Amino acid sequence: EVQLLESGGGLVQPGGSLRLSCAASGFTFSNYAMSWVRQAPGKGLEWVSGISDSGGSTYYADSVKGRFTISRENSKNTLYLQMNSLRAEDTAVYYCGKGVYSYDSTADYWGQGTLVTVSS
Amino acid sequence: EIVMTQSPATLSVSPGERATLSCRASQSVSSNLAWYQQKPDQAPRLLIYGASTRATGIPARFSGSGSGTEFTLTISSLQSEDFAVYYCQQYDNWPRTFGQGTKVEVK
Repeated sequence: EVQLLESGGGLVQPGGSLRLSCAASGFTFSNYAMSWVRQAPGKGLEWVSGISDSGGSTYYADSVKGRFTISRENSKNTLYLQMNSLRAEDTAVYYCGKGVYSYDSTADYWGQGTLVTVSS
Repeated sequence: EIVMTQSPATLSVSPGERATLSCRASQSVSSNLAWYQQKPDQAPRLLIYGASTRATGIPARFSGSGSGTEFTLTISSLQSEDFAVYYCQQYDNWPRTFGQGTKVEVK
């Protein structure tokens, strides 16, 4: 059974940093692309970032480019999202997703999410 | 950035009836289109990818069609568990983009 467990969310001040983690199990992690999607309170889904199976290719939404960094550690079956220079508009539930393919496309499984709140 | 536009914003349907949801892309995305279902306080659930391929475990009452810029998700006979918000997502270009969602509610 595919399982994705996000952690690392919490309350942070504007301008601060957080690192989200996503622990994966139930599939061969190194064979699939992974991604992050977020959902602000009461709003729709927003794609944030994607990474290929090897980690060699990464992609970002314009809204986070230069501030967020996606990475993965295949030996630990873990996906990361380093978030710097956080803004109030980054407040959202962040979901990690398992890709359908080895390259970044769409995701067939999602974790239950971790809430990031950016506020003073 | 490719803009995905879903219609209608809200669809009121009686259980057992057919529901048809639309998604339009601002430029061609070929067949690189997915549909998701989301219920309150739950993660999204992949229904369809490749515009028409059902994901693992998705009932046959869900079907997707279309290519290029016009796509449709059809739920042939709505069950109580199908009342939710549905999103389309293109994965042809970066950044990947979602539609704003269609809420399917009980009529």
